[in-house]
Amino acid sequence: DVKVTQSSRYLVKRTGEKVFLECVQDMDHENMFWYRQDPGLGLRLIYFSYDVKMKEKGDIPEGYSVSREKKERFSLILESASTNQTSMYLCATTSGMNTGELFFGEGSRLTVL
Amino acid sequence: AQRVTQPEKLLSVFKGAPVELKCNYSYSGSPELFWYVQYSRQRLQLLLRHISRESIKGFTADLNKGETSFHLKKPFAQEEDSAMYYCALSKSGGSYIPTFGRGTSLIVHP
Repeated sequence: DVKVTQSSRYLVKRTGEKVFLECVQDMDHENMFWYRQDPGLGLRLIYFSYDVKMKEKGDIPEGYSVSREKKERFSLILESASTNQTSMYLCATTSGMNTGELFFGEGSRLTVL
Repeated sequence: AQRVTQPEKLLSVFKGAPVELKCNYSYSGSPELFWYVQYSRQRLQLLLRHISRESIKGFTADLNKGETSFHLKKPFAQEEDSAMYYCALSKSGGSYIPTFGRGTSLIVHP
């Protein structure tokens, strides 16, 4: 079974703090994604990566950056957290074979006060 | 640009009733379509994909290219079907960047 692990399930941060959300997968998948999940808005793609040190902007990249130094790890960074970034963040992976199925982590619920 | 529309935020039915969760898409090429499900306190997971043409947990979905729809159906809803359902689209071939709908919350009452 593919395992996608998000290290922090719940975080509470203050406005202006720097936030790191980490995602690790153990199936050697090339593609990794960060989504934001909000009620009524569904899943919105923040950033994705096809390979190590490679990143592409998704639909809502503003206020976020990412890092992929190793194939298994994809980090989402909020340089200066704001209250409108309070949300559930989902990491997902899929293989480079374009199999279609995304494998998701359990999510990181971030609250910015 | 590709787009997925789920017109219903909430669908509420009684156990044993038929269920249809609607999904319409906009894409000029040949799409691959999926339904994902998220049960309470669980991670989002694939329910079914159109290329498999299979029934999972009693659910089926047929791709209708003429109507650009991929509705999810089940003839008799069960309480354990209560969950959040997302329709998703990706390009067939080429780079894989999935697009999701806004989701439909299904509540099945006893």
